[in-house]
Amino acid sequence: AQKITQTQPGMFVQEKEAVTLDCTYDTSDPSYGLFWYKQPSSGEMIFLIYQGSYDQQNATEGRYSLNFQKARKSANLVISASQLGDSAMYFCAMIAGGGNKLTFGTGTQLKVEL
Amino acid sequence: NAGVTQTPKFQVLKTGQSMTLQCAQDMNHEYMSWYRQDPGMGLRLIHYSVGAGITDQGEVPNGYNVSRSTTEDFPLRLLSAAPSQTSVYFCASSYSWVTGNTIYFGEGSWLTVV
Repeated sequence: AQKITQTQPGMFVQEKEAVTLDCTYDTSDPSYGLFWYKQPSSGEMIFLIYQGSYDQQNATEGRYSLNFQKARKSANLVISASQLGDSAMYFCAMIAGGGNKLTFGTGTQLKVEL
Repeated sequence: NAGVTQTPKFQVLKTGQSMTLQCAQDMNHEYMSWYRQDPGMGLRLIHYSVGAGITDQGEVPNGYNVSRSTTEDFPLRLLSAAPSQTSVYFCASSYSWVTGNTIYFGEGSWLTVV
């Protein structure tokens, strides 16, 4: 069975600062994928970034980067230069062994302040 | 290309009533799944399907039925609604192997059971 742990229920960050959202995972499958999704107050799930278990380099997508530490089983999301529009719930999720069965963490509510 | 379409977006049910949440995709995806989102618990898998005629249970299947008669449609049925089924429901679809931004979510269905 897979498990995702997000230990930060809420985070605050000043505008233009960087912020790291923590995610640890557990799986016995050597092939897996890690995702981060953003959920604004409107409710839709917005894909941010993906890291495959065999990817050699950390994934980056614009202001988003994934700090992938395989030995520690962590996949932290780093948002650089935070913007007010980044205020949202952020979910870490995992797929293991193929298919599309995502296992989600409980989420981190990020609030960006002026 | 409409992506994943969920209906209805909002619904209020009385305890004991039945209803069907509709999910349709026009991308010829083999995989479709239903998740529910509750406060503080992230998204949890209810049922999933790997193709027409094939369905299986996820983490929280009790109280829900599904069928997959066509590739495009994957309805979720509540046979006798209970207040514990008050939640936000998401349908998702993808091809058989997922990497990156290849899981498509519907916009969500807000269900309240009174």
